[in-house]
Amino acid sequence: KQEVTQIPAALSVPEGENLVLNCSFTDSAIYNLQWFRQDPGKGLTSLLLIQSSQREQTSGRLNASLDKSSGRSTLYIAASQPGDSATYLCAVKPNTGFQKLVFGTGTRLLVSP
Amino acid sequence: EAQVTQNPRYLITVTGKKLTVTCSQNMNHEYMSWYRQDPGLGLRQIYYSMNVEVTDKGDVPEGYKVSRKEKRNFPLILESPSPNQTSLYFCASSLAVGYGYTFGSGTRLTVV
Repeated sequence: KQEVTQIPAALSVPEGENLVLNCSFTDSAIYNLQWFRQDPGKGLTSLLLIQSSQREQTSGRLNASLDKSSGRSTLYIAASQPGDSATYLCAVKPNTGFQKLVFGTGTRLLVSP
Repeated sequence: EAQVTQNPRYLITVTGKKLTVTCSQNMNHEYMSWYRQDPGLGLRQIYYSMNVEVTDKGDVPEGYKVSRKEKRNFPLILESPSPNQTSLYFCASSLAVGYGYTFGSGTRLTVV
C-alpha cells in the first residue's frame, strides 16, 4: 500500500530564506507526483506536476525534483515571502488505480516578515 | 475561467437529513473524484468516476453515493448523514491519465 510522508510537519522561516520541503513515498510505481498549496480553509492550488519520467519541474521561484527510485521528491522555494505561508501537500498517482491520488499530510509553512 | 465549482461552501445539517453537494467542471475532463480531508488523516478518496455512468469506490465510500449522468457534473450524496461525516470535502477533476488534477474550493460540512 502506497504511503506518502512529508517532513517536516511544520516549518517557520524568516522572509528571504531559501527552503526545501520533503516528500517521500514507499512504492516507486507511480505515474506522476503533484505538489499543491492549501491556504487555511481554502481549496488546493496545483503548483507543479512531475511525470515519472521527469527529474524536475520549475515554475517561477518553485522547483520540484523527483527521484522515483529512492521514493523522494523535494519542493524548493527560493527567496521565500510571507505570501508563501500555507500548507504544502504532495500527492502521488500510483500506476494502478489511475484515478486515485495518495496524499501526504502536508508541511505547514510560515514565512515571517 | 477553467475551474471546478462546488456548492455549497459551508453547510450545517442535522443527523439523518439527506443532502447533496454539487460539483461541476467546465474543462471537459473525463475523470472526477471526491475527497474528504480530516485533521491527522489527510485527504482520502471517497468515490471517483472515469466517465459518464462509470463510477467506483475509493478508500472511504461508506455512507456516500455519487452519480455521473453528465460529463461536467459529479454530485456527492449523503443519504443519512452522521456526525462522523463532519469534514472538509473536495471535488477534483483531471483531463485523462497523466494529467494533473484541478480541485474545487471545498465544502465544509458539519453534521450535528
